[in-house]
Amino acid sequence: LAKTTQPISMDSYEGQEVNITCSHNNIATNDYITWYQQFPSQGPRFIIQGYKTKVTNEVASLFIPADRKSSTLSLPRVSLSDTAVYYCLVGDISAAGNKLTFGGGTRVLVKP
Amino acid sequence: DVKVTQSSRYLVKRTGEKVFLECVQDMDHENMFWYRQDPGLGLRLIYFSYDVKMKEKGDIPEGYSVSREKKERFSLILESASTNQTSMYLCASKEAGTGVSAKNIQYFGAGTRLSVL
Repeated sequence: LAKTTQPISMDSYEGQEVNITCSHNNIATNDYITWYQQFPSQGPRFIIQGYKTKVTNEVASLFIPADRKSSTLSLPRVSLSDTAVYYCLVGDISAAGNKLTFGGGTRVLVKP
Repeated sequence: DVKVTQSSRYLVKRTGEKVFLECVQDMDHENMFWYRQDPGLGLRLIYFSYDVKMKEKGDIPEGYSVSREKKERFSLILESASTNQTSMYLCASKEAGTGVSAKNIQYFGAGTRLSVL
């Protein structure tokens, strides 16, 4: 399973764009990149998933360069309610069980 | 929407007790997972199951067992609870899929915060 490395914490202000970069140097051909968000005392919630290039949904964008050794989650115009821990995961979707490994996550604090 | 329901939000047990944590999902997902989450350690996988009566060890299976008698239900069992098993326990489910077109999205329950005294 590909190990991921992401910053421990980031601070931002309301209305700013937040970019969180995740390194996954040994990503395999069948691995997808997935990001989750977790609020205190809740389970993680799926945000976005991608395989290559750029993916965008109503919540975020995910940028994946051609070598796929890193990815960047972009949260546009954050609000106080975006304060949470964000996890980057890579997973082998070709294997039974499709186990994912969670790293330590990035704690994002949005300030007024 | 996928719903993953964990039977208890909070539990307090005594050392040596047998503890059952229950998880039910309503989306007919083949795969189910149990994690524990501790400050500074992130989420760690305890066990997962990719079919009824099938189970595989995760990264930290010691002191735990699981049961999957029905597709929708996945139980985590602490045979003899210890204080170092005080933690937040999270259940997740995911549809089966292989190949690069599959969606590898896990859906989580709200968690059970277990305290072992």
